[in-house]
Amino acid sequence: SQQGEEDPQALSIQEGENATMNCSYKTSINNLQWYRQNSGRGLVHLILIRSNEREKHSGRLRVTLDTSKKSSSLLITASRAADTASYFCATEGNSGGGADGLTFGKGTHLIIQP
Amino acid sequence: ETGVTQSPTHLIKTRGQQVTLRCSSQSGHNTVSWYQQALGQGPQFIFQYYREEENGRGNFPPRFSGLQFPNYSSELNVNALELDDSALYLCASSSGRDRSSPLHFGNGTRLTVT
Repeated sequence: SQQGEEDPQALSIQEGENATMNCSYKTSINNLQWYRQNSGRGLVHLILIRSNEREKHSGRLRVTLDTSKKSSSLLITASRAADTASYFCATEGNSGGGADGLTFGKGTHLIIQP
Repeated sequence: ETGVTQSPTHLIKTRGQQVTLRCSSQSGHNTVSWYQQALGQGPQFIFQYYREEENGRGNFPPRFSGLQFPNYSSELNVNALELDDSALYLCASSSGRDRSSPLHFGNGTRLTVT
């Protein structure tokens, strides 16, 4: 089952604009991560935010986490054509047992128009 | 630093056959996990190996099995292939059992079952 759900499913903006993607999840988490996937290739880790953090920055990326609403957002500022990709949020549970793996959403497909 | 490599890149099999997919972890990483990504979906966790032992498994039947070798390379075996097994299979490595370690993905093996 997929816990995270990204919104929107697809987003098309002009180069230079900011892109915002949202993610909702269902159960308590240890951390939430965002990954990027270029067409037909592997995923690339972008940023990790822990459950006790509210906001984190990395270059042009800004991630927020609201555990009370079980939601996160990823903001990409000053978008570039090279940012065109699918973006996934992934959560890691805190069951305390063996490895649960990451639970990914279905992703947001971002298209940056030159 | 050598990244995660997977082989083969593409594979076509017939329903009922068996398949073995291979993965070389990033140097220094002793944990490997496998994910299945159907078209248009996010990756789904199959299982994870740490120091040659399976230490976590997702909701996949026993015909999905794996191995991790002393050099931390890994195999995913799927028996009695079904049409729904057609997907991109992703291998990811990380360091240690730390739940907060970002995953480093290979570019995947595209399996088509006819």
